[in-house]
Amino acid sequence: DIVMTQSPDSLAVSLGERASINCKSSQSVLYSSNNKNHLAWYQQKPGQPLKLLIYWASTRESGVPDRFSGSGSGTDFTLTISSLQAEDVAVYYCQQYYNIPYTFGQGTKLEIK
Amino acid sequence: QVQLQESGPGLVKPSQTLSLTCSVSGGSISSGGYYWSWVRQHPGKGLEWIVYIYHTGRAYYNASLKSRVTASVDTSKNQFSLKLSSVTAADTAVYYCARGRTGDYGGFDIWGQGTMVTVSS
Repeated sequence: DIVMTQSPDSLAVSLGERASINCKSSQSVLYSSNNKNHLAWYQQKPGQPLKLLIYWASTRESGVPDRFSGSGSGTDFTLTISSLQAEDVAVYYCQQYYNIPYTFGQGTKLEIK
Repeated sequence: QVQLQESGPGLVKPSQTLSLTCSVSGGSISSGGYYWSWVRQHPGKGLEWIVYIYHTGRAYYNASLKSRVTASVDTSKNQFSLKLSSVTAADTAVYYCARGRTGDYGGFDIWGQGTMVTVSS
């Protein structure tokens, strides 16, 4: 199984500041046939299901604010929120869909400083 | 827009079978470009992918649960289902159904609200 490891486990950032969350996979999730990283990022607020933010490691889902961006390739990825808003307080997860079993990171809790 | 809704008992006794259904509204489960999945989240913990299934009935399972899991799809009812046998307290979790995308898109783009299942006598 591909192990997804996020860092940090929790993060406190001031409103308007940049927040970065890292995700490392135990093996590459770059699929050679389509040259795409099979990596997604999700946001989960308390009592709610996950919301897809980013897929293919860097493609923003329709309707997601452009302050959210994804980067990285192979085994190392980053989710960046360029200017933190109060509504961004949540737990963020990365997930690989390169092969089964699909696996998720342990989550990063983002709070306001 | 497409919505997913899980249904099933919230309490299951140990050793029994957990049965959940996900109803798809606002679109057809037979639409190309999608697969249909179950994911669970243990209380206060991380996420575990269980299975995904195409509208054809072809299913792919998490090997860690495969011996106990059966997924099925009913295109006439626009639903897909999960059965997990021989449950224990370790199966207590919020169970989500989700839509996965193939082709030019990726990730699980639509999720149900989730249903809490407790395994207890």
